[in-house]
Amino acid sequence: GESVGLHLPTLSVQEGDNSIINCAYSNSASDYFIWYKQESGKGPQFIIDIRSNMDKRQGQRVTVLLNKTVKHLSLQIAATQPGDSAVYFCAERNQAGTALIFGKGTTLSVSS
Amino acid sequence: DADVTQTPRNRITKTGKRIMLECSQTKGHDRMYWYRQDPGLGLRLIYYSFDVKDINKGEISDGYSVSRQAQAKFSLSLESAIPNQTALYFCATSDDQGQGRELFFGEGSRLTVL
Repeated sequence: GESVGLHLPTLSVQEGDNSIINCAYSNSASDYFIWYKQESGKGPQFIIDIRSNMDKRQGQRVTVLLNKTVKHLSLQIAATQPGDSAVYFCAERNQAGTALIFGKGTTLSVSS
Repeated sequence: DADVTQTPRNRITKTGKRIMLECSQTKGHDRMYWYRQDPGLGLRLIYYSFDVKDINKGEISDGYSVSRQAQAKFSLSLESAIPNQTALYFCATSDDQGQGRELFFGEGSRLTVL
C-alpha cells in the first residue's frame, strides 16, 4: 500500500545551523511531492513542492531534493532560526492522483 | 479572515453523541478534504469532494460521513462518537488547476470524546 515515512521523529539543531529532514516514500509512480510546516496550534502550511521530473528545487532558505532511485525526499533549511521550530511533513500524491498522503512528521527544535 | 474556517475549534463530547464539524472556504476552490491528525501518525484522509455532487472515501472513512452543502461548505459528521475518534481534524481545499495539488488547511478542530 501507499505510505510515506520520515526517518526521524525529532531533530534538534542550534540556531544558525543547517537542518536536513528526510522522508522515504513507497510509491515509485508518485509524480508530485510537497513539504508542509505545522506550527503549534495551527494547520499545516505549504513550504515547497517538487515534481518527479526534477531532482532539486530551491526556495527561500529551503531546498528540496528528490532521489527517485531510492525513493527518498529531503528538506534542507539553511541558517535555521527559532521560528523554524515546527513539525514538518512530507506528502506525496496518492496513486489515484486525487489526494495527498502524508508522512508521520518530524519535529524540529531550534535552540538559541 | 482565514481562507479556510473550521467550527468548532474545540469540542468535548460523550460517547454515542452525534457531532458535526463544519468547514467553509473563501478561496473559491472546488476540491475539499477532511483529514484527521493523531500524534505520531501524521494526517490521514477521511473524505474528499471534488464538487458539490462528488463525495469520495479516504483511507479511514469508517465511522464518519460528510456533506457538501455548497462549493464553499463541507461538513464532517460523527454519527455516534467513540473515544478513539478523539483527534485533531483538519479541513483543506485545493483547486483543480495547475500541475500540483497544494492543499490549503484550516486551523483545525480538536475533538475529545469521553
